[in-house]
Formats: sequence, C-alpha cells, structure tokens
Amino acid sequence: GAVVSQHPSRVICKSGTSVKIECRSLDFQATTMFWYRQFPKKSLMLMATSNEGSKATYEQGVEKDKFLINHASLTLSTLTVTSAHPEDSSFYICSARDRWGIGGELFFGEGSRLTVL
Amino acid sequence: AQSVTQLDSHVSVSEGTPVLLRCNYSSSYSPSLFWYVQHPNKGLQLLLKYTSAATLVKGINGFEAEFKKSETSFHLTKPSAHMSDAAEYFCVVPNFGNEKLTFGTGTRLTIIP
Repeated sequence: GAVVSQHPSRVICKSGTSVKIECRSLDFQATTMFWYRQFPKKSLMLMATSNEGSKATYEQGVEKDKFLINHASLTLSTLTVTSAHPEDSSFYICSARDRWGIGGELFFGEGSRLTVL
Repeated sequence: AQSVTQLDSHVSVSEGTPVLLRCNYSSSYSPSLFWYVQHPNKGLQLLLKYTSAATLVKGINGFEAEFKKSETSFHLTKPSAHMSDAAEYFCVVPNFGNEKLTFGTGTRLTIIP
C-alpha cells in the first residue's frame, strides 16, 4: 500500500530555535498534502493544506509565519516551526493523497513528536 | 457543515467480547464517512469507509460499520476483541470533494486480558 514517511519521528529543541519536519510520499505523487496537529488525548486539528508549487492554505487561527510550509515537489512537503516555544510542543501528522489513485484515500504519516524545552 | 460526534471518549472491553464504538454524524447531504485507528505514537490507518454504496461496510482486522441514515449513525463494531485492538479510534467525515477531513474527538479502546 501507499506509504507516507515523516522525519524526524521525534525531535527535542530549545526554545527560540526552528525545527523542520519532512513528509514524503514514498511510492506515489501527491499534489496536495495536509498537516495536522494533535494535542495530548485530543483529536487532530487541520493546520494547513500544502499545495505543490504554490502557497499553502492555512486554517483559521494558524499562524502562517510560525508554521512555514513548503511543497517543492510532488513527493515532499516540509513544515518548519519557527522560533519554537514550549506551547508548540505537539504531535504533528501529515497526510497525502495519490494524485492518480482511485477512491481518494488519504494516507497518513506516522507523525513527528516535537518537544520544545 | 459536516461534523461527527463520538459518544464515548473511552471504552473498555474484555478480550474476546464484542466491541461497539459509537459515532453520530451531522451533514446537509449524504456524506462519506471513515473510521481510522491510531496506535500509540503512530500515524493513522484507515479501517473502513462508507461512500454511499452498501450501508454495511467491512474493514480490516474484522471491524465493520453500518451507516444508518434514520439514526445519523455510523457505529464501529467487532464481534470479538483482540489485545492488538487497543488503540484510539477516530470517526471522520470529509468535506465535499473528500479533501479536508473533520475528525471526531476519538475513542480510546482498552482491552482487558
């Protein structure tokens, strides 16, 4: 089946630094990827839609300058948390859809746990 | 706007007994509906999906769900729980076009040995 890979799976950083999380579709092309944030014992919240070759579309309340998204190719989207603070600590999950797939299933990465000290 | 409500935040069942995870939906049209499972510190895996074909949908790992329009429900069931079923389960509704997903608040399933 289709695989979406996220890297790193865990990252710890100091407050004020920036962290980049990668989301790759390993065996399919994805014109659109989605970034979610999951708080402890909570549901997933859609942060933004990443569009290949164009600007990301952010959900209401999500800071564009804080969470930079780049979708430079059909298999890679990156989320950069800039000037991270402890409140940015969370589990970030990406998902992608095979542009040529039938059925439109979204495939999810295994998530990246960010801890900001 | 579409939404889903998961009625139980936590369900505990004994191994070998039936599982019932409840989900109600709200939609202005007949929606697609999904159930996803998330094991600890893992991403989400699609269990099954309803897309207006058969109302009884069979998924992976012995799970199934029945779409009931009269009750606006899409409950997830399994006849016999296994220890490996312990996880978080999300009922999900996509918006029109199946692009953005709206997640329920999740139900944590605990299996008692």
